[in-house]
Amino acid sequence: TQLLEQSPQFLSIQEGENLTVYCNSSSVFSSLQWYRQEPGEGPVLLVTVVTGGEVKKLKRLTFQFGDARKDSSLHITAAQPGDTGLYLCAGAPNDYKLSFGAGTTVTVRA
Amino acid sequence: SAVISQKPSRDICQRGTSLTIQCQVDSQVTMMFWYRQQPGQSLTLIATANQGSEATYESGFVIDKFPISRPNLTFSTLTVSNMSPEDSSIYLCSVRTGGLTDTQYFGPGTRLTVL
Repeated sequence: TQLLEQSPQFLSIQEGENLTVYCNSSSVFSSLQWYRQEPGEGPVLLVTVVTGGEVKKLKRLTFQFGDARKDSSLHITAAQPGDTGLYLCAGAPNDYKLSFGAGTTVTVRA
Repeated sequence: SAVISQKPSRDICQRGTSLTIQCQVDSQVTMMFWYRQQPGQSLTLIATANQGSEATYESGFVIDKFPISRPNLTFSTLTVSNMSPEDSSIYLCSVRTGGLTDTQYFGPGTRLTVL
């Protein structure tokens, strides 16, 4: 059983459409991180959310941390082919060890 | 932030041999981690490598199979021993920097194929 449940597993959309990726858990996290990984590369940190209810924006990407700090979402507005990649949420509920969700593979078609 | 390099970037190895992967960080860090990522999968933590102490292995990973060295605060190695095709994966080095959010950074990975 994964500590962090990500959904959906796959998303294929047309350029210009919006998408949302969800990351849920029954555990409380002091912070959650979102990464994007492209083929042949390591994961690259996009954002860290720390405060319950927090909303962070990174250009067309909006990240939200749930009030109870058990869940998070990533919303991409007007997706572009450059947004294609594997999106991973991660958190360390009890100690320093980061647990990862299963990942969401996003494909944006031109 | 931290910039991490790994060597080799990829390798193809024969069954029964061993491969040592190197991880170099551009700054001194206390905590280093080794992850495995099988094709199309998420990341699984192999072990935590802190300088000056033995590595701590996660369930399902043992020192005889994945010996780790951490000679100083900027360098670590992971050896994949007596390889089998099931060891074919991407191996990633990661470090955690201090601060309020304890950000974790990843190297580019080593893509290993075992024939």
